[in-house]
Amino acid sequence: AAGVIQSPRHLIKEKRETATLKCYPIPRHDTVYWYQQGPGQDPQFLISFYEKMQSDKGSIPDRFSAQQFSDYHSELNMSSLELGDSALYFCASSLGGLAGSTGELFFGEGSRLTVL
Amino acid sequence: DAKTTQPTSMDCAEGRAANLPCNHSTISGNEYVYWYRQIHSQGPQYIIHGLKNNETNEMASLIITEDRKSSTLILPHATLRDTAVYYCIVSLYGNKLVFGAGTILRVKS
Repeated sequence: AAGVIQSPRHLIKEKRETATLKCYPIPRHDTVYWYQQGPGQDPQFLISFYEKMQSDKGSIPDRFSAQQFSDYHSELNMSSLELGDSALYFCASSLGGLAGSTGELFFGEGSRLTVL
Repeated sequence: DAKTTQPTSMDCAEGRAANLPCNHSTISGNEYVYWYRQIHSQGPQYIIHGLKNNETNEMASLIITEDRKSSTLILPHATLRDTAVYYCIVSLYGNKLVFGAGTILRVKS
């Protein structure tokens, strides 16, 4: 079965550069969630989208922005990168958004960002 | 969302049942209990969820106390591949999941 696809899997950037991560949800899933997991940390919720609209917002820095496109894929844009942005970034998808979700989020394998 | 408390770590012998407890004393009536696990640096994996009745699927069983202030995840026959961080999360149905400090389960042969 198709899973959540994230790209790139690994990314190395310099401080102050910009990075974009992409997430392709499971087909027919309409809700996307972004999580950040620093070294030795638990996953932290950043932001979510349902039907191309932002549905919830967590601890996402102002330097970061995200959107969900008409084909339901999502992109996380990170600017003015800092050393502390080095982390695993997970995308998850579900079907039904706030009202219809079964509660089961399907996570991708993550994108590892290293900021030097 | 209600806060949860889990043991930092637990050990379990391979082939035995692993019982992972979770306290969520401030849970509200319409909040669900979710369990996820994360095997080293992989994406978190859904295990099971419930509201007030006990639930069972092919992976595990979830036992929720009658007052809903605590729950236990049971892996009936733990294998080495079950070694992971297990997260108990309380959330409104369909809401974002907020991961707290989970339990590191080490299954040993």
